[in-house]
Amino acid sequence: GAVVSQHPSWVICKSGTSVKIECRSLDFQATTMFWYRQFPKQSLMLMATSNEGSKATYEQGVEKDKFLINHASLTLSTLTVTSAHPEDSSFYICSATLAGSNEQFFGPGTRLTVL
Amino acid sequence: AQSVTQLDSHVSVSEGTPVLLRCNYSSSYSPSLFWYVQHPNKGLQLLLKYTSAATLVKGINGFEAEFKKSETSFHLTKPSAHMSDAAEYFCVVSSGAGSYQLTFGKGTKLSVIP
Repeated sequence: GAVVSQHPSWVICKSGTSVKIECRSLDFQATTMFWYRQFPKQSLMLMATSNEGSKATYEQGVEKDKFLINHASLTLSTLTVTSAHPEDSSFYICSATLAGSNEQFFGPGTRLTVL
Repeated sequence: AQSVTQLDSHVSVSEGTPVLLRCNYSSSYSPSLFWYVQHPNKGLQLLLKYTSAATLVKGINGFEAEFKKSETSFHLTKPSAHMSDAAEYFCVVSSGAGSYQLTFGKGTKLSVIP
């Protein structure tokens, strides 16, 4: 149980284009989802926290207009990287929690490469 | 505020020998503590978690960790390393004070020598 999937697993795009990454909780309803980015050989940095039906809360230094997060249902959150640039290339990982629990279940990650 | 310090960025052990990955934490509240493992280009897998029950926590794949409040430590151990244990390990703290946000350590890369 508590499986989280991400799609796509990897994506390559041209600079200036937008990319959408999906995060789904497959067998549970996730009241809260989190988005992280991980640079090579570094730890995970929280980008934003999203609750179903409300606006995401972004961490300091994360541009909300660049990283659009939508959490329209209890099983799906999307991260759209708008006008992507090479410096946005990274490993993006989502996680989801059950109501009343602080355990996060992580997706397998999405490798984004911007050319 | 909460923070995690993983004391070693890289640990190398021989196959069959014990593993010790060190982690110290700070938290304003009674923390929940986790160890996750990440294999190359993969997501994170939970090894074990401490949530104010038994201080010695047993996890998957033979790993265990002991919560020591007096030392603010949560070191990860395994009696005998296996080649498949080679990966990145993250110590993680959650304040548990109504917040479900996690704070990650910088990670420790474990290498296992045949």
